Amino acid sequence: DIQMTQSPSSLSASVGDRVTITCQASQGIVNYLNWYQQKPGQAPKLLIKDASHLVTGVPSRFSGGGSGTQFTLTISGLQPEDFATYYCQYYDFSLPLFTFGPGTKVVIK
Amino acid sequence: QVHLVQSGAEVRKPGASVNVSCKTSGYSFSNFYMHWVRQAPGQGLEWMGIITPSGDSTTYAQKFQGRVAMTRDTSTSTVYMELSRLASEDSAVYFCARESSGSYRAFDVWGQGTMVAVSS
Repeated sequence: DIQMTQSPSSLSASVGDRVTITCQASQGIVNYLNWYQQKPGQAPKLLIKDASHLVTGVPSRFSGGGSGTQFTLTISGLQPEDFATYYCQYYDFSLPLFTFGPGTKVVIK
Repeated sequence: QVHLVQSGAEVRKPGASVNVSCKTSGYSFSNFYMHWVRQAPGQGLEWMGIITPSGDSTTYAQKFQGRVAMTRDTSTSTVYMELSRLASEDSAVYFCARESSGSYRAFDVWGQGTMVAVSS
């Protein structure tokens, strides 16, 4: 089974900061990687699909990159509404198999 | 507008079963895969399984095999998730989610979540 890890598990940042979260897969997953944002008491929200494609309506300060085993989510110019937990998600393109990373919590410094 | 509206909170005793519903609207129900994801208090997201658009096939995460059943009713555009032999570790918020159409696979629309508490 492919395992997903995220680092850091939490980070403290200020409004306006540039923040990067890393997601690592235990083996190569091409670009079958999505990113979600979840705020307390809410359902997750899809931000980025296929590693780097921004979902319609998501602010352009969010960007994704990477392929193979290493992926990043970058927030350029953190806004107050961005303080949340972020999850990466691996999917198998051919099989019904989905795995979430453990999450990264972004808190206010 | 696309909506997934889930049933309300449930409390069950250990060993019991729970059935959570997810009523969809605003899109062609029969064209999309549906998933269930759960989240224990203070924990991350855990994928539970998938049901095909026609409902004729399901795949469950190994952890839940033999204990979960996902079904769908085309006449009411509703999907269901039943989890049996509940234990305290099953206390969590359960989400339904729609899988996107197209060349990628992601969960583009989510229900609001249903809290299930398991306690004696």
